[in-house]
Amino acid sequence: SAVISQKPSRDICQRGTSLTIQCQVDSQVTMMFWYRQQPGQSLTLIATANQGSEATYESGFVIDKFPISRPNLTFSTLTVSNMSPEDSSIYLCSVESSGGDEAFFGQGTRLTVV
Amino acid sequence: KQEVTQIPAALSVPEGENLVLNCSFTDSAIYNLQWFRQDPGKGLTSLLLIQSSQREQTSGRLNASLDKSSGRSTLYIAASQPGDSATYLCAGKYSGGGADGLTFGKGTHLIIQP
Repeated sequence: SAVISQKPSRDICQRGTSLTIQCQVDSQVTMMFWYRQQPGQSLTLIATANQGSEATYESGFVIDKFPISRPNLTFSTLTVSNMSPEDSSIYLCSVESSGGDEAFFGQGTRLTVV
Repeated sequence: KQEVTQIPAALSVPEGENLVLNCSFTDSAIYNLQWFRQDPGKGLTSLLLIQSSQREQTSGRLNASLDKSSGRSTLYIAASQPGDSATYLCAGKYSGGGADGLTFGKGTHLIIQP
């Protein structure tokens, strides 16, 4: 299994500002995944981050709004830019086991935009 | 487009009962299926992972099955306890190698009455 630490665990932000969420894994992983969980909804994949290359974004998500960094094999950041109340969600970081099968998740970042 | 559906959306049962949560998926070319538990405001805890070549997996009081031909998976919880109260999510992975994330259902919100 993998242990994933996310920071911050929660935050309340003013609209128009940006928040950077950090994800630290206790082992080296090839892929890191960022998900969003809007209130009352299930998880939706935002993007896949591979170390050393640009992140791959899912339909409906763009780099200008959700820039991602992946400087090494154990760390990634997701920035939520120019926030609006619609960005209020839980943001979760995920990795997969070394065999590429089982997925593990951080505890999430609960973001409220006011 | 792959879709994952979970029924029921909510379930409340007395302590001690056995129960079944249902998950259906639209694409039989599923690579694996994973069941998670999510406590309020928290991240996801992996419960069981079933590979496409497997029919079921067991862990303690939990048993998950997978039927690719019918596009269905079930999570069986034996002798339910109040501590089992949580939202249960199923998620399908549609390719190996870690390139793709998971497609999630909306979850079943389970309440076990003491």
